[in-house]
Amino acid sequence: KQEVTQIPAALSVPEGENLVLNCSFTDSAIYNLQWFRQDPGKGLTSLLLIQSSQREQTSGRLNASLDKSSGRSTLYIAASQPGDSATYLCRVYGQNFVFGPGTRLSVLP
Amino acid sequence: GAVVSQHPSWVICKSGTSVKIECRSLDFQATTMFWYRQFPKQSLMLMATSNEGSKATYEQGVEKDKFLINHASLTLSTLTVTSAHPEDSSFYICSARDDLRKNTGELFFGEGSRLTVL
Repeated sequence: KQEVTQIPAALSVPEGENLVLNCSFTDSAIYNLQWFRQDPGKGLTSLLLIQSSQREQTSGRLNASLDKSSGRSTLYIAASQPGDSATYLCRVYGQNFVFGPGTRLSVLP
Repeated sequence: GAVVSQHPSWVICKSGTSVKIECRSLDFQATTMFWYRQFPKQSLMLMATSNEGSKATYEQGVEKDKFLINHASLTLSTLTVTSAHPEDSSFYICSARDDLRKNTGELFFGEGSRLTVL
């Protein structure tokens, strides 16, 4: 059974810092991995989707990497801003869709 | 593109009543939609997979008769919480998969519906 974990569970940083969020999964037989952000009381906004054949994807200040063999993905956020404050969730797609518990990020002005 | 709309965004109801939540894919067709439940500060818990034209597939532990799912068209799935009780209070989120981009495995999410049962 696929298990997805995210470290850290919560993170608080000053504005401008570069930061890394981690997502680990136990079964490397996946088709893809997707990163989302969720604002309080809201649905999920898709950030990046990485197919199993890809190593990374970039969108603006966000860069996501995927190392399928080691069961890890990282989301890199450059020059963080207060507007980046949210919960970040990773989701793997293998036998089914499995979400991680999320990382709550606070970027302080 | 790829917008999923959920309605209502929040609802308060009395115990014992039924509540219907709609999930619509606005600019794409979705044979498959998913319904999730989210408790405060926790991740999403998959409740069921909704399939257009056929019965929904429920996850273990989810009561079929309590959470009725109807996927009547390629753009609409509904979740009805029947005889709601306070413990059903939660945040319900739907997601959909674009039929034309099914192979990408990308999911698009609605804004969620917060249910409070008094």
